Parts: sequence; C-alpha cells; structure tokens
Amino acid sequence: SQTIHQWPATLVQPVGSPLSLECTVEGTSNPNLYWYRQAAGRGLQLLFYSVGIGQISSEVPQNLSASRPQDRQFILSSKKLLLSDSGFYLCAWSKQGRGETQYFGPGTRLLVL
Amino acid sequence: GQQLNQSPQSMFIQEGEDVSMNCTSSSIFNTWLWYKQDPGEGPVLLIALYKAGELTSNGRLTAQFGITRKDSFLNISASIPSDVGIYFCAGQKGLGGGADGLTFGKGTHLIIQP
Repeated sequence: SQTIHQWPATLVQPVGSPLSLECTVEGTSNPNLYWYRQAAGRGLQLLFYSVGIGQISSEVPQNLSASRPQDRQFILSSKKLLLSDSGFYLCAWSKQGRGETQYFGPGTRLLVL
Repeated sequence: GQQLNQSPQSMFIQEGEDVSMNCTSSSIFNTWLWYKQDPGEGPVLLIALYKAGELTSNGRLTAQFGITRKDSFLNISASIPSDVGIYFCAGQKGLGGGADGLTFGKGTHLIIQP
C-alpha cells in the first residue's frame, strides 16, 4: 500500500531564515505530487504541483519554491521566511493523470516568529 | 483564486442527529471530493464522486454530485462522537493530461454534544 511522509511535523523559525520541508511517497512510482498550504481556520490552497522529476508548476506567486529531485521526493523551500508564511503545509500524491484522487500526508505546522 | 462556497461554516448538534452540508461553485467541476480533517492532521478522503447525478454512500455517509456539476452535498446519518472534525469539499477539473490541483471549500466544523 502507498504511504506519504512529511517532516518535520512542526517547525518554529525566525523571520528571514531559510526553510526546507520534505515529502516522500512510498509504494508507488511516478506519482503526481502537490504542496498545499492551510491558513488557520481555512481551506487548503494549492501552491505547487509536479508531474515528474524536475517538473514544477506554481499556482500562486509567493515567497516559496518547490523542487522534485527524485521520483518520490518533493521539497518545499524558502530562502527568507516571512511572517505570512506561517501555516499548515500539506503534501499530497495522486496517480498520474488529471482527475485522479489525491491523498494527503500528515502535514507540517510552520510558525514564523 | 477560485473557491467553493461551503455551508454551514459550523454545526453544533446532538449525538444521534443527522447532518447535512453542501458546496456550490460558479464553475463546473468533473470530480467532487469530500475530506475530513482532524486537528493537526492531514485531510482524509471520505467519498469521491465522478459523475453528475451520482449518489454514493460510505457507511453512514452519503454524498451526491449535482446534476449541473456545480454543487455537491454530504449527509451523515446518526452522528457519533468520532464524527467531530472539519469537513471539506473539493472540486477537481479532471480534464486533459498533466496534473490537476484541488479547489477547496473553507470547511464545515462539526461539533457534537453528547
């Protein structure tokens, strides 16, 4: 069966510091991968998606970037965090193709102070 | 960005009552999904709907994909304490190749009083 992991689970970072969040998927190959952000009390907003290694599409302009160095690894990064980057970051995977069901990881809670 | 209108925002009910929530959109989606999220965790898929008019059940949960493809509802029958959480609807265009991000509603917070 497929599993999706995220780490760290929680992170407290000062403003202006760099960020690296990691997501890995097991039990499947060539998945679509997604990064979402959830602000407190709100729904999820799609940030990035990837259909393959090195292929990243950005949905909203922001202070963050994403990379996919390996088939089942998706990384969310920032060079300098802003206060507004605080939130709950969720990684998701789906099988290849549009319309495939997405399954979410446990999330990383980021607090920027 | 585009959002789905999900209502109600919160519900306070007694254990054993039935629950109903819905989502509407100004644009068409080809897939509707309902997720449940517990505090501090990722959303878990409850029901996926792929055809307009489709009515699908998962235990005490029933969801329908609206005929116009612009709305969906979720019903929970005979609520129990473990139903507490935030329920999200999500729409997916699902056309063509590539990938297809989800558009989410803002969630319905379900609180059950014993």
